This record gives sequence, structure tokens and C-alpha cells, in this order.
Amino acid sequence: DAGVTQSPTHLIKTRGQQVTLRCSPKSGHDTVSWYQQALGQGPQFIFQYYEEEERQRGNFPDRFSGHQFPNYSSELNVNALLLGDSALYLCASSFQRDQPQHFGDGTRLSIL
Amino acid sequence: AQTVTQSQPEMSVQEAETVTLSCTYDTSESNYYLFWYKQPPSRQMILVIRQEAYKQQNATENRFSVNFQKAAKSFSLKISDSQLGDTAMYFCAFIFRGAIQGAQKLVFGQGTRLTINP
Repeated sequence: DAGVTQSPTHLIKTRGQQVTLRCSPKSGHDTVSWYQQALGQGPQFIFQYYEEEERQRGNFPDRFSGHQFPNYSSELNVNALLLGDSALYLCASSFQRDQPQHFGDGTRLSIL
Repeated sequence: AQTVTQSQPEMSVQEAETVTLSCTYDTSESNYYLFWYKQPPSRQMILVIRQEAYKQQNATENRFSVNFQKAAKSFSLKISDSQLGDTAMYFCAFIFRGAIQGAQKLVFGQGTRLTINP
């Protein structure tokens, strides 16, 4: 039973570029949430997708956008990258309102 | 605003000792979940234990147990017989249900870096 998988593992970009991160939820899960974790900090909620719609959003600018596909996988897109976007991006999945959320290994994004 | 506070940035104990990590939270909700997650250097966030707010009984999972004080909004984690593999960042988290049905987000504390020494 595969858990939450994220790709790529690491990514290096320069300021102003755009990036797409991908997440496949745990088998049987239909809800995907994205979190940003800066070095030495706790994760911060970006947004959550369910039934291909954004259900809730944290305090992140419109440069952060997402998508959920019919197979429940999800993408996180970040435009016009800033140095401050350097972080570990975590994807978590769950089944609707059930708990808990299961996390992937994350994508480490570095902005030069 | 929903907040989670972990007042101990770092802790260090000897192997086999018992250690308690502190967490307080702020919410106006009456029904919610609380969690402790562990994040080793491998980065994956691993669920350690969860507590449902409407349950009076404190949750336990083998060597891990919580002291849930709802009125005080306190949720501490006790690790008994600590092992070297318990070395990790520990995050306390609260589930917040959004205005849209089904929407929910985890609100995390800043974390406590726990080191178990041989």
C-alpha cells in the first residue's frame, strides 16, 4: 500500500521562475493538503483540495496555485519565485473529514 | 486566530529516561483533534499520537502518552523509556475546520527538537 508520494525530491530554481510540484495521495484518500515548511519552523498551511476544488486556503499570495485531478493527485504551482519561497513543501492526504492526515517526504525547493 | 505554542525549542535526555514535551493551543471550537507529529532528519512527518477533544481519556500509544487538559488548552506528550530512534523534531498540531464543509487545516506549533543521548 503506497503512501503519499511527492516529486521531485529536490529542486533548484532562480528568482522569477515558475515551479510545479506533484503529489499522489495515499491509496483510498481523496483529499490533498499542501504545507510550506521553512527551515527550523513548523509547517504552514497553503491550501486543501477535495473533489477537484480548493476548499480552504491559508495566508499565501495568489502566486501559489494548485490543482487536483480526477485521480485525486495534485499539483502545487508557484509563479514569480522569490528567495523567501525556499522551503520544504509537504503534501498530506486524508479521506474527507477523517483523520489523521498522512504526509509525504516533501520537496525541498531552493531559490537562488 | 487558531494558534499552537510549543515553549521548549530544544530538549535533551539520556536513553531510557522519560521526557515530557509541552504544548498549548488557542481555539474557540469545542470539537477538534490534537496531534503530535515526529519529523526525523529524513523529513517525513510521522503521526505519533492523536486526541479527540470530546474524549476525556488521555490517548496512549505504546511508550507515548498525552496529558490533555481541555479547560487549560494544554496537550503535552510524554515519552517513556526513550530510545535513540526517538531523536527528532516533534510538532504539536491542531485541526481547524474551515467555513466550507469538509475543509480543514492543520495548525502546527514551532516544534521541539528532542535529542536522546546514549
